Amino acid sequence: QQPVQSPQAVILREGEDAVINCSSSKALYSVHWYRQKHGEAPVFLMILLKGGEQKGHDKISASFNEKKQQSSLYLTASQLSYSGTYFCGTVRGGSNYKLTFGKGTLLTVNP
Amino acid sequence: NAGVTQTPKFQVLKTGQSMTLQCAQDMNHEYMSWYRQDPGMGLRLIHYSVGAGITDQGEVPNGYNVSRSTTEDFPLRLLSAAPSQTSVYFCASSPWGAGGSPGANVLTFGAGSRLTVL
Repeated sequence: QQPVQSPQAVILREGEDAVINCSSSKALYSVHWYRQKHGEAPVFLMILLKGGEQKGHDKISASFNEKKQQSSLYLTASQLSYSGTYFCGTVRGGSNYKLTFGKGTLLTVNP
Repeated sequence: NAGVTQTPKFQVLKTGQSMTLQCAQDMNHEYMSWYRQDPGMGLRLIHYSVGAGITDQGEVPNGYNVSRSTTEDFPLRLLSAAPSQTSVYFCASSPWGAGGSPGANVLTFGAGSRLTVL
């Protein structure tokens, strides 16, 4: 079952902030975030494990609310290079080998 | 170190034809998987493998077969192609199960194979 991402698309001006959400109806073991630029393969950003740990990657950070089975990706002071489609992937507890992705969020950063 | 190599990059098939998408990795990763990407649908898991001789189904396995005879290779077979299988296919690998310890389950994706079935 695919996790649900929101919003489907977001347009920013350079320097603005954005939040992308990911939710699941099932208990999760971990949440993964990837970014894909047009015509390229997805690239790993970060992994969050159950326990509510927040991870960071430069000006991109994420959190995982285990009680709500939700994760959020925070993009601060966006740069043109942040443009692309962001996918969250989830692994359910007890099925550690299936990484299921959401439908993606298209982020466009304009000058 | 080539990473994950997929061949071919582009392929056009007629309905009913068969073909194999090749995937090879040189990182000694135990875990390998196939995804298909369609507009508005995200990445959907077709099949995956946690080691040589071990495969399992993902979300959309119908119409596809896989086998894993070596650690390096994980081919995806379409026995009788249908227009609904028109898609971009990605192979991905990681050094351990997808839900394991941090740093051990980062997926490395191949460049993708674009398949069109007429």
